[in-house]
Amino acid sequence: AQSVTQLGSHVSVSEGALVLLRCNYSSSVPPYLFWYVQYPNQGLQLLLKYTSAATLVKGINGFEAEFKKSETSFHLTKPSAHMSDAAEYFCAVSDQGSGGGADGLTFGKGTHLIIQP
Amino acid sequence: DSGVTQTPKHLITATGQRVTLRCSPRSGDLSVYWYQQSLDQGLQFLIQYYNGEERAKGNILERFSAQQFPDLHSELNLSSLELGDSALYFCASSAGGTSWTQYFGPGTRLTVL
Repeated sequence: AQSVTQLGSHVSVSEGALVLLRCNYSSSVPPYLFWYVQYPNQGLQLLLKYTSAATLVKGINGFEAEFKKSETSFHLTKPSAHMSDAAEYFCAVSDQGSGGGADGLTFGKGTHLIIQP
Repeated sequence: DSGVTQTPKHLITATGQRVTLRCSPRSGDLSVYWYQQSLDQGLQFLIQYYNGEERAKGNILERFSAQQFPDLHSELNLSSLELGDSALYFCASSAGGTSWTQYFGPGTRLTVL
């Protein structure tokens, strides 16, 4: 069974500082990995995804993540935090489905990112 | 805007009642997924349909059921509602096949009183 662990339910950084949100996964097969962002009272928006191509994945809004198989990690980073980055971030994993595309995603519990002015 | 629409946006009902949530996927997407987001359980996958057929099941209760219609829209039916069913219900869609990206709708907030 797949699982995702996000270390830190809350992360606080200063505006302009490095953002690092941690995600570790467990999967019996090569996983597909995703980061989603959820702003208050909104749905989930895809930030980036890893689907076995390049291990360093660039996403929207200046975010990127690196897939490290040896560490079973897929940490999300952004060099310089902006006030608009304040939101809930979810890491998710999916196995290959049975022909209808991806199976349902298994999500981590989320990390609330707080940006200090 | 992801292109996935969900109605209604809010739903308030009483215990023991039955409700139906509706989802229209992005144009051309064949797969529809339903998720539940609650404070205690987090985001959980409920069920997936692909081109009208059930494809995968997650943590969906027996009181819950879903279907996907020929025009590819989907409905999630929740019956014998309990207080603990209060949650945000999201629908997501993907193209299916080799596409791995799921696009999420804005959600339906269900409150059971």
